[in-house]
Amino acid sequence: GENVEQHPSTLSVQEGDSAVIKCTYSDSASNYFPWYKQELGKGPQLIIDIRSNVGEKKDQRIAVTLNKTAKHFSLHITETQPEDSAVYFCAAPMDSNYQLIWGAGTKLIIKP
Amino acid sequence: DVKVTQSSRYLVKRTGEKVFLECVQDMDHENMFWYRQDPGLGLRLIYFSYDVKMKEKGDIPEGYSVSREKKERFSLILESASTNQTSMYLCASSFGGGRTEAFFGQGTRLTVV
Repeated sequence: GENVEQHPSTLSVQEGDSAVIKCTYSDSASNYFPWYKQELGKGPQLIIDIRSNVGEKKDQRIAVTLNKTAKHFSLHITETQPEDSAVYFCAAPMDSNYQLIWGAGTKLIIKP
Repeated sequence: DVKVTQSSRYLVKRTGEKVFLECVQDMDHENMFWYRQDPGLGLRLIYFSYDVKMKEKGDIPEGYSVSREKKERFSLILESASTNQTSMYLCASSFGGGRTEAFFGQGTRLTVV
C-alpha cells in the first residue's frame, strides 16, 4: 500500500525567506498530490494540488513540484509572511480511490 | 462556501463512557471521513462512508464505530472510551474520495480521564 514520508517535521525560516517541504511516496501508480494547511484551532484546508501529468504548478507565492521518477513532491513558499505559520500536510491517494495517505506534517514557523 | 460542522470543539469524558461525535456537511457530498490527529502521526483514517448507510474501515477502526443514517450526517461512536483515545478528531467530506478536495471541520479535542 501507499506510504508517505514528509520532512522536515519542523521548519523555522526568517520572514521574507523561502520555505521548502518535501514528501516521498511509495506507490508509483499515485497520480494526485495535494497539500493542506492547518492553522491553529482549525481543520486542514487545501492550498494547492498537482496531478501527475504536470511537473509544476504555481499559485502566487506557493508552488508544488513533482518528480515521478524519484517519487517525491515538494511545496515551495516564497517571500514567507507571518500568516504562513501553520502545519502543512502532504498526501497521496491509496489505490482504493477513497482514501488519502497523509504525511506526518510540518510545523512551519516564520520568524519576524 | 462548503461547511463541515462538528458538534463540539472540546469534550471531556470519563473512561468507560459512550461518546458520540457528530459531523454535518451542507454540500451534498457523497463521501465523509473521520480522522484522528496525533502529534507526529499525521492524520489517520478511522472510518469513511461513501453513501448513506455504507461504511468502510480505515487504518485504525478498533474501539470505534460509525453511523450514517442521512447523507449530511456522519457520527463517530466510542463505545467505551479509554484514555488512549484522547486525541483531536477531524471530520471531512468530499465529492470524489481521495482524488478531490476534502473539506474539514474545525475538529473536536476529546480528553478521556
